Amino acid sequence: ETGVTQSPTHLIKTRGQQVTLRCSSQSGHNTVSWYQQALGQGPQFIFQYYREEENGRGNFPPRFSGLQFPNYSSELNVNALELDDSALYLCASSSDTLSYEQYFGPGTRLTVT
Amino acid sequence: GENVEQHPSTLSVQEGDSAVIKCTYSDSASNYFPWYKQELGKGPQLIIDIRSNVGEKKDQRIAVTLNKTAKHFSLHITETQPEDSAVYFCAVGGFKTIFGAGTRLFVKA
Repeated sequence: ETGVTQSPTHLIKTRGQQVTLRCSSQSGHNTVSWYQQALGQGPQFIFQYYREEENGRGNFPPRFSGLQFPNYSSELNVNALELDDSALYLCASSSDTLSYEQYFGPGTRLTVT
Repeated sequence: GENVEQHPSTLSVQEGDSAVIKCTYSDSASNYFPWYKQELGKGPQLIIDIRSNVGEKKDQRIAVTLNKTAKHFSLHITETQPEDSAVYFCAVGGFKTIFGAGTRLFVKA
């Protein structure tokens, strides 16, 4: 069984640029959630995707958007990057929206300069 | 919305001692309470969870207790080992999961 994978591992971007982060869900999982984890803090829920549709969103502006593909992999896109977007971005998958157990990937460390 | 508070922020114990981390939450409708362990450079790992119809759950050296009336739940680690050193997060909810701020646990050999 393959776990959750994310790419890239690290990324450095300049303020105002756009970034795309990728996530492959665990085998058999059709639900993907994205979280932002600032240094020294707990993860914060960005949004969840289920069967290619956004299924709920946290308190993040529209410049944070996502996609889920037919194979349940997912992308997180952030436009007009700000310095405060520097964080670890985590993807978590679960077997469906009714299964509360989430399995996290290792994250992508984004630095905005 | 839901609010989760976690204490202490740092905990240092001697190897073999017990460690207890406590969390409180605000939404009485919450019904799922997971605990995650995060090691340096890794994503959070689910270590134990409890649902609102259960008061206690144990898995080897770790246990979680839930008091729904008081809206608090706790993680207990017995016979701590150096490899237990990590950041531990409590969380509430399986959808739009809300995390606590984390507890950095140091186990001294």
